[in-house]
Amino acid sequence: EADIYQTPRYLVIGTGKKITLECSQTMGHDKMYWYQQDPGMELHLIHYSYGVNSTEKGDLSSESTVSRIRTEHFPLTLESARPSHTSQYLCASGDRAPAKLFFGSGTQLSVL
Amino acid sequence: AQKITQTQPGMFVQEKEAVTLDCTYDTSDPSYGLFWYKQPSSGEMIFLIYQGSYDQQNATEGRYSLNFQKARKSANLVISASQLGDSAMYFCAMRDPSGTYKYIFGTGTRLKVLA
Repeated sequence: EADIYQTPRYLVIGTGKKITLECSQTMGHDKMYWYQQDPGMELHLIHYSYGVNSTEKGDLSSESTVSRIRTEHFPLTLESARPSHTSQYLCASGDRAPAKLFFGSGTQLSVL
Repeated sequence: AQKITQTQPGMFVQEKEAVTLDCTYDTSDPSYGLFWYKQPSSGEMIFLIYQGSYDQQNATEGRYSLNFQKARKSANLVISASQLGDSAMYFCAMRDPSGTYKYIFGTGTRLKVLA
């Protein structure tokens, strides 16, 4: 049903590396979101976007940045990864009514 | 401030029985939307059911129903005839009624269905 894709599914990298987590959706949704989630825990909003050239920081402070140059693409970048960034990152997009969220499969990031 | 509370960290249910997962919310806005999502061990989030604050009837989607009690500010998820595949984390969420289209999630309930 949902056409929202995240790559990579799993990523193991060393401290200090720059990484970009990809998220794309083919549903034409204006609203897109990035959530961070530790295993078995709640979701924390780190970034969101209402449309092209619109990005906002979420409720959880994050050292990551996002961009929204195209409607379908909402990548998240970490300039210098640290072990504290180890987590699952979930991308989502929202439709108009009732504005439910469609989620990607997530990226499990491990920083050594 | 808007808030979602799920007080059951974990629940067990026997296969084929019904189970209720609790969710309470806090908002002063009269217009809001409530959602339930399922997260299996594979990690993806699956939309289950939606209830709008002005909806007169409780939402139902197959084996899922939402027991919406507006005065109590509760939106409990009822799963009927539990199946082994229902074992997962379940999250209650509310769309921020202030119009930001942000979503607030609860801490989740881990459900284990026993054979």
